[in-house]
Amino acid sequence: EIVMTQSPATLSVSPGERATLSCRASQSISSNLAWYQHKPGQAPRLFIYGASTRATGIPARFSGSGSGTEFTLTISSLQSEDFAVYYCQQYNNWPPEFTFGPGTKVDIK
Amino acid sequence: QVQLQESGPGLVKPSQTLSLTCTVSGDSISSGDYSWSWIRQPAGKGLEWIGRIYTNGNTNYNPSLKSRVTMSVDTSKNQFSLKLSSVTAADTAVYYCARKNYYFDYWGQGTLVTVSS
Repeated sequence: EIVMTQSPATLSVSPGERATLSCRASQSISSNLAWYQHKPGQAPRLFIYGASTRATGIPARFSGSGSGTEFTLTISSLQSEDFAVYYCQQYNNWPPEFTFGPGTKVDIK
Repeated sequence: QVQLQESGPGLVKPSQTLSLTCTVSGDSISSGDYSWSWIRQPAGKGLEWIGRIYTNGNTNYNPSLKSRVTMSVDTSKNQFSLKLSSVTAADTAVYYCARKNYYFDYWGQGTLVTVSS
């Protein structure tokens, strides 16, 4: 099983500041990584796939990077609507177990 | 625009079987090379992938749940379903259905299932 870890668990950031979220895989997953934003009472929303490609409608202030085992999601200038939990998820096809990280909560400082 | 909607009982008794259905609208469940997944989130915890099914019936399940999970698909109704047997309080969660295109690109809104007597 590929285990995903995320750090920090909580990130307190002021609006307008930069946020950097980290995700690590227990073995190489190439660029088979997605990031999701999850707000209470809503469905998770795909933000980034292929480690660095923004999904449709995602603002340019969100960027993803990394490959192999180390990945980063950067929010260049936090807006009020960005405060949420962010999950990374690997989709390496073998073994076919699509694990999520434990999440990073981005809250208002 | 593809939309997914979960349905099923919100309360299940311990030791019984949890049954949920996901109805897909906006496109045929058979179009494209997608699989269809169930994912859950217990209160205060993270997301856990339960399993996936292709429209040809092929499945993959999370090894931690495999012995209790059965998924099925009904292409004529544009639906896929989840059965989780022998449930306990630990299975209380919000259950989501999602389309998998490598990553999960479309999700349902989720449905809360509580296991309690």
